[in-house]
Amino acid sequence: AQTVTQSQPEMSVQEAETVTLSCTYDTSESDYYLFWYKQPPSRQMILVIRQEAYKQQNATENRFSVNFQKAAKSFSLKISDSQLGDAAMYFCAYSGGSNYKLTFGKGTLLTVNP
Amino acid sequence: GAVVSQHPSRVICKSGTSVKIECRSLDFQATTMFWYRQFPKQSLMLMATSNEGSKATYEQGVEKDKFLINHASLTLSTLTVTSAHPEDSSFYICSATPGLGFYGYTFGSGTRLTVV
Repeated sequence: AQTVTQSQPEMSVQEAETVTLSCTYDTSESDYYLFWYKQPPSRQMILVIRQEAYKQQNATENRFSVNFQKAAKSFSLKISDSQLGDAAMYFCAYSGGSNYKLTFGKGTLLTVNP
Repeated sequence: GAVVSQHPSRVICKSGTSVKIECRSLDFQATTMFWYRQFPKQSLMLMATSNEGSKATYEQGVEKDKFLINHASLTLSTLTVTSAHPEDSSFYICSATPGLGFYGYTFGSGTRLTVV
């Protein structure tokens, strides 16, 4: 079974600084997708960034970028120029196989200090 | 972008009654919908996967007779919590995909269920 591990229950960063959230996963699939979702206090799940496993190039979305290491099964999220609005719970998620299920990590609570 | 509407956002019901939660995809056809349960400060736990026109597939440990899922159309899935008890109190979230999950999953805003 696929598993997703986020080893950092909590992280903090100063406003305008950079922070990296870690995620590792385990799978026997060769084709799969990885996601980072943000869940603010409103509890609405918001897609931050996604990565297709077959693509070697790391995905970027404005201030958000990933470091995808397929061989190491690592998928970290880098947030640059952190803003107060980035404070939230961040979940790493995996989807692979034919049933489209999303498997989530336990989450990392990010605090942004002014 | 894709929008999923989930109602109600909050519901309080008496123990022993049933409550229905709706999840609608507003601007796309959701061939597959998922239902999650989330306890405070924890991750999302997948309860079941529903495909339009077929029976839902429940995850291990989820009582299918207690959590009834119907996905009768390409835009609507419902979760009915039957004979609710206080331990069923939780945050329930749905998500939908047009069938190719790799193109992303859109989440509803969640329903906070309190059973008294």
